[in-house]
Amino acid sequence: DGGITQSPKYLFRKEGQNVTLSCEQNLNHDAMYWYRQDPGQGLRLIYYSQIVNDFQKGDIAEGYSVSREKKESFPLTVTSAQKNPTAFYLCASRSRDSGPLFYGYTFGSGTRLTVV
Amino acid sequence: AQSVTQLDSHVSVSEGTPVLLRCNYSSSYSPSLFWYVQHPNKGLQLLLKYTSAATLVKGINGFEAEFKKSETSFHLTKPSAHMSDAAEYFCVVSDRPSYIPTFGRGTSLIVHP
Repeated sequence: DGGITQSPKYLFRKEGQNVTLSCEQNLNHDAMYWYRQDPGQGLRLIYYSQIVNDFQKGDIAEGYSVSREKKESFPLTVTSAQKNPTAFYLCASRSRDSGPLFYGYTFGSGTRLTVV
Repeated sequence: AQSVTQLDSHVSVSEGTPVLLRCNYSSSYSPSLFWYVQHPNKGLQLLLKYTSAATLVKGINGFEAEFKKSETSFHLTKPSAHMSDAAEYFCVVSDRPSYIPTFGRGTSLIVHP
């Protein structure tokens, strides 16, 4: 079955350490997104990519970095510059279709990152 | 610019009674609108979508929503709540040119026996 796989499900980071969250999709979707979820704040956009080898900052990109070398993969690195990284991170994707053909956005099951 | 306002952070109902989760949106063009549900520590599941076809949209698990352009609303309803409906619900707007989804802050649905 097609879908998005995020790994790991749980991740612990030490102070000053960079960590990378994986997001892989086999839906042949063009656009991919990373969101951060904190209680009571909904989902906030970190980075997005509309095509391979191109990505744009979202609303809260500081302290994060991404790459999009392959259509299927959009890893997110949480750097030591991100002062409060403890959160639930969700990856999503969408196809290029629009209008009535637009299915919507497909989400992974998330990674919970905790600073220890 | 697009935005979404979910009017209630928490909604509490008794099992078997109707559910109403309210959502207002702002968009410059003709938006697509979605409702997603999230159970604890899980990803988001699509409940239903509006993409310029019928204004009354039926989704999974008995949920439906009506797109009202004059009121810029897309409220989610269900005739009879079930215990398994207890979850977080997100209203989402997406519009051209970028089609980047913008989320509301979420409404927590609590269902009492």
